[in-house]
Amino acid sequence: GEDVEQSLFLSVREGDSSVINCTYTDSSSTYLYWYKQEPGAGLQLLTYIFSNMDMKQDQRLTVLLNKKDKHLSLRIADTQTGDSAIYFCAEREGDDKIIFGKGTRLHILP
Amino acid sequence: EADIYQTPRYLVIGTGKKITLECSQTMGHDKMYWYQQDPGMELHLIHYSYGVNSTEKGDLSSESTVSRIRTEHFPLTLESARPSHTSQYLCASSDRFDEQFFGPGTRLTVL
Repeated sequence: GEDVEQSLFLSVREGDSSVINCTYTDSSSTYLYWYKQEPGAGLQLLTYIFSNMDMKQDQRLTVLLNKKDKHLSLRIADTQTGDSAIYFCAEREGDDKIIFGKGTRLHILP
Repeated sequence: EADIYQTPRYLVIGTGKKITLECSQTMGHDKMYWYQQDPGMELHLIHYSYGVNSTEKGDLSSESTVSRIRTEHFPLTLESARPSHTSQYLCASSDRFDEQFFGPGTRLTVL
């Protein structure tokens, strides 16, 4: 089946930029997503990108998509303590399902 | 803000008991999902539904069952709970653009 891979942990100093990387296998994916999960809560959609786009920017968030390499990244500028969470990369498979990565735990250092 | 609710938020129960985890959404979404989330964070799809009277098994085999009698309601039932069922259960629904809205989750512990 299709697979979404991402690193499990990332530590970043407060004020620096965080870059979370993800690779996927389904070249026919039409939508790719980033979700955020805070402790004790469900997942919340942060942003998404259509497969025909290379970049999408939304305030402190920048999503980059390299379709050739099937690589997706999420950059968080000026990382704050409130950004500490688990970030899930996901791709849309056909019309039915969303395939999630295992999540990257972002830890903010003071 | 997403209008999707799960009850109970936390449940501790003994082995062999029958339990039902409730999930309701007020957004009129046709598609709904149940995920099981490992302590190590990975999400596993265990059930989904395209609409009323539609239920499908997900990627991870599960001893649970679901029903979809009303659009807004998608309960998950375990007939006989076991310690291996201890996990976090997340319910979600999606709009036609497949943006998934998640509930807060139910953390189940089976003793």
